[in-house]
Amino acid sequence: ETGVTQSPTHLIKTRGQQVTLRCSSQSGHNTVSWYQQALGQGPQFIFQYYREEENGRGNFPPRFSGLQFPNYSSELNVNALELDDSALYLCASSFDPTEYNEQFFGPGTRLTVL
Amino acid sequence: AQRVTQPEKLLSVFKGAPVELKCNYSYSGSPELFWYVQYSRQRLQLLLRHISRESIKGFTADLNKGETSFHLKKPFAQEEDSAMYYCALHFNKFYFGSGTKLNVKP
Repeated sequence: ETGVTQSPTHLIKTRGQQVTLRCSSQSGHNTVSWYQQALGQGPQFIFQYYREEENGRGNFPPRFSGLQFPNYSSELNVNALELDDSALYLCASSFDPTEYNEQFFGPGTRLTVL
Repeated sequence: AQRVTQPEKLLSVFKGAPVELKCNYSYSGSPELFWYVQYSRQRLQLLLRHISRESIKGFTADLNKGETSFHLKKPFAQEEDSAMYYCALHFNKFYFGSGTKLNVKP
C-alpha cells in the first residue's frame, strides 16, 4: 500500500500567475481534502472532493479550485496568485468523508509567491 | 470564529516529567476531536481520536464538555515525544489549532 504523494515539493511563482499542485491519494481512498498551512499556523481547510465531486469548502475565494480524477489523483489550482498564498499546501486522503476514517497526509508542496 | 485554540506555542519539559498539551474548542454540539502529531521531517499523522477513547504511545485525551477542552496528557514524557502537536475538531470539515511544539529535554 503506497502513501499519499504530492508534487512538486517546492514551487516559486510571481504574483498574478496561476499554479497547479498535484496529489496522489492512497489506493482505494475516495476522498481527498486540501489544506493551506501558513507559517506558524495549523492546516486550514480549503475544500474536499469525494468521488470526483466537491464535498465541502472552507473560507477560500473561487480562485482556489480543484479536481479529482478516477485514478485517485487530484489537483489544486490557484489563479491570480497573491503574496498571501505563500504557504505549505497539504492534501490528505481517506476512505470516505466521515470523521471516523483516518486522514492520511502527504508531505506537502511549499509554494512561494514573489 | 476560532474553533480550536492551543494556547501554548512551545512547551518544554524534562524527560520523565508529566506533560499536558492544552486544547480548547468552541462548538455547541457533540464534537469529534482529534490530536495529530508531526515528528521532525515526517508528515502529519493521526495520534488519537476522542471517539476511540484509546491510549497511543502513552498519550490520553479526555473530552471535558463543561470546560470545552480536550487536553493531551502523558504521565512520563520521552525524548521521542518531541514533535509538533495539533488539536483538531471535525464539524462538516476539520478545524485545526495552531499547534504546540513539545520539546522533551534529556
